Amino acid sequence: SFVLTQAPSVSVAPGKTARISCGENNIGSKSVHWYQQKAGQAPALVISYDSDRPSGIPERFSGSNSGNTATLTISGVEAGDEADYYCQVWDPRGDHPVFGGGTHLTVL
Amino acid sequence: QVHLVGSGGGVVHPGGSLRLSCAASGFTFSDYPMHWVRQAPGKGLDWVAIISYDGSDRNYADSVKGRFTISRDNSKNTLYLEMNSLTIDDTAVYYCTREGIRDAFDVWGQGTLVTVSS
Repeated sequence: SFVLTQAPSVSVAPGKTARISCGENNIGSKSVHWYQQKAGQAPALVISYDSDRPSGIPERFSGSNSGNTATLTISGVEAGDEADYYCQVWDPRGDHPVFGGGTHLTVL
Repeated sequence: QVHLVGSGGGVVHPGGSLRLSCAASGFTFSDYPMHWVRQAPGKGLDWVAIISYDGSDRNYADSVKGRFTISRDNSKNTLYLEMNSLTIDDTAVYYCTREGIRDAFDVWGQGTLVTVSS
């Protein structure tokens, strides 16, 4: 089955750049979506189709996808960015979504 | 404003049943496929079920197949999840979510907690 691998945690100082990865063989051939989930809240879409930002998402959030790794990059990290981040693709048969295990971003 | 509001969660004994609802507003509900996604305490997101925009197609995660039924009433702008033969492993917050134009989940409900406990 399709498994998306994410590091459990990433830590970064305020103002620095956080990079959160999502790995799977040949993930570059798929479209990856990213969700942010703050403590006690529902998830929210922050990047769709590898690198598109929905309305209202700051330009500090960007995405890329190539080869075996997709990456969510958060520039100028702020305390309010502390959250769990999940990547998501569609199963190769296209009949159900698959989520990564999630990465907790800690802002030091 | 686009909204999804989930309800119907609660505490149920193993083997019991529960029906969740998700009321949609602010968009044309009948235009979109809808999903249920759950999250066990301290765990990640786990997809549960999908229903097509008109209700003609449905699909389920293997872990709930044969026990859960997803349905929708487009006249009431409401999504449902009928859950039977519940086990402790079904304990989770259940989110309803809209599959948007670009196949991403662009709108989420606030989540409703289901606790299966003896």
